[in-house]
Amino acid sequence: NAGVMQNPRHLVRRRGQEARLRCSPMKGHSHVYWYRQLPEEGLKFMVYLQKENIIDESGMPKERFSAEFPKEGPSILRIQQVVRGDSAAYFCASSSGLATDTQYFGPGTRLTVL
Amino acid sequence: GENVEQHPSTLSVQEGDSAVIKCTYSDSASNYFPWYKQELGKRPQLIIDIRSNVGEKKDQRIAVTLNKTAKHFSLHITETQPEDSAVYFCAATDSASKIIFGSGTRLSIRP
Repeated sequence: NAGVMQNPRHLVRRRGQEARLRCSPMKGHSHVYWYRQLPEEGLKFMVYLQKENIIDESGMPKERFSAEFPKEGPSILRIQQVVRGDSAAYFCASSSGLATDTQYFGPGTRLTVL
Repeated sequence: GENVEQHPSTLSVQEGDSAVIKCTYSDSASNYFPWYKQELGKRPQLIIDIRSNVGEKKDQRIAVTLNKTAKHFSLHITETQPEDSAVYFCAATDSASKIIFGSGTRLSIRP
């Protein structure tokens, strides 16, 4: 759904640099989900956030990855000291928060690590 | 946690024929089952979803069936067209309300 915004759309980083990916949910949505998609693979859940709260981060690597969704502003997925294996498409989705509520995806950020 | 398995991984059908993609899930508490279509380089787009209080839902050429007892659900596309070519993902909510995706089916429509 065009309402979920992600930026940048493409991000190139060298090994060891930091990557910051931003996601603005649809208007009226307070729940954000981040997914990673490796080339030719499916979508892997990473983290589920509400405003100022991490609800479920069971899919996040234990090191180098962090996520936040502050009271004001977009949700941010941060990858420190990137490695080539971090190259992937990172999608965020938003919903109003009910378990049976539809998640709408943003256009994704394609991260390339050189 | 929830585990969603999807078959087949690739599917090629003649234009005009039907395509069926099948998924199973493990968490009996799951109650929401969306299907997404993803074209090359694009975001996943919701095409149909079904909630656990119904067994079947149809939207034009697309239908989804759900068997809660057997814990499986299927996507049916009838009268396939070239624009149906894409990767299709099934998904299910787990008890923590996050969506777990199947591994995807690459559908090709032969002219």
